[in-house]
Amino acid sequence: DTEVTQTPKHLVMGMTNKKSLKCEQHMGHRAMYWYKQKAKKPPELMFVYSYEKLSINESVPSRFSPECPNSSLLNLHLHALQPEDSALYLCASSQEGVRLANYNEQFFGPGTRLTVL
Amino acid sequence: AQSVAQPEDQVNVAEGNPLTVKCTYSVSGNPYLFWYVQYPNRGLQFLLKYITGDNLVKGSYGFEAEFNKSQTSFHLKKPSALVSDSALYFCAVRDKNTGFQKLVFGTGTRLLVSP
Repeated sequence: DTEVTQTPKHLVMGMTNKKSLKCEQHMGHRAMYWYKQKAKKPPELMFVYSYEKLSINESVPSRFSPECPNSSLLNLHLHALQPEDSALYLCASSQEGVRLANYNEQFFGPGTRLTVL
Repeated sequence: AQSVAQPEDQVNVAEGNPLTVKCTYSVSGNPYLFWYVQYPNRGLQFLLKYITGDNLVKGSYGFEAEFNKSQTSFHLKKPSALVSDSALYFCAVRDKNTGFQKLVFGTGTRLLVSP
């Protein structure tokens, strides 16, 4: 299985809602990533998990809360989002490198298209 | 800071002609460079990478890239373009300052292949 899956494909939520995005991979990768992508722009890194521990948080607002329950799963919990948070949210995974030096390519999921009303 | 630049917002080419999508890099030390493609409303797909070794790297779907250290470039090429190659292409570099955990993307180049 060389696939990263993401659910749901589309999500519409109000500013007071709480929702979660899910990501799963079964490639044995120990590095997992969340990105945010606006239309016609490159992906912006949000979080990196390495061996189920948060290793990078790119100063993301606390209304986004990541969780890595095990080596195959990555969640992104959403609460009190703003309309400007509407975007494509991409999950990715990669083989972890030696001594955290990671030269490996990332495999991306198809993304969740989030609309905040 | 590690960065890559894609100087062209869009590249137009006729089907059957060779294509080049440009990327230049600015890094300290050895660069770890990648090319990804994104089709509409989809995630990114890995095409190829340069870590070390031969300067000409071959990748998926007939794409290749040439690493040029003196020109700090990593241009993506294909000998004969297909209409189905029309997509958004991103060059990226692993960021040494984060132990190479972070992937820094260029701004992207839209490739349009006309029939």
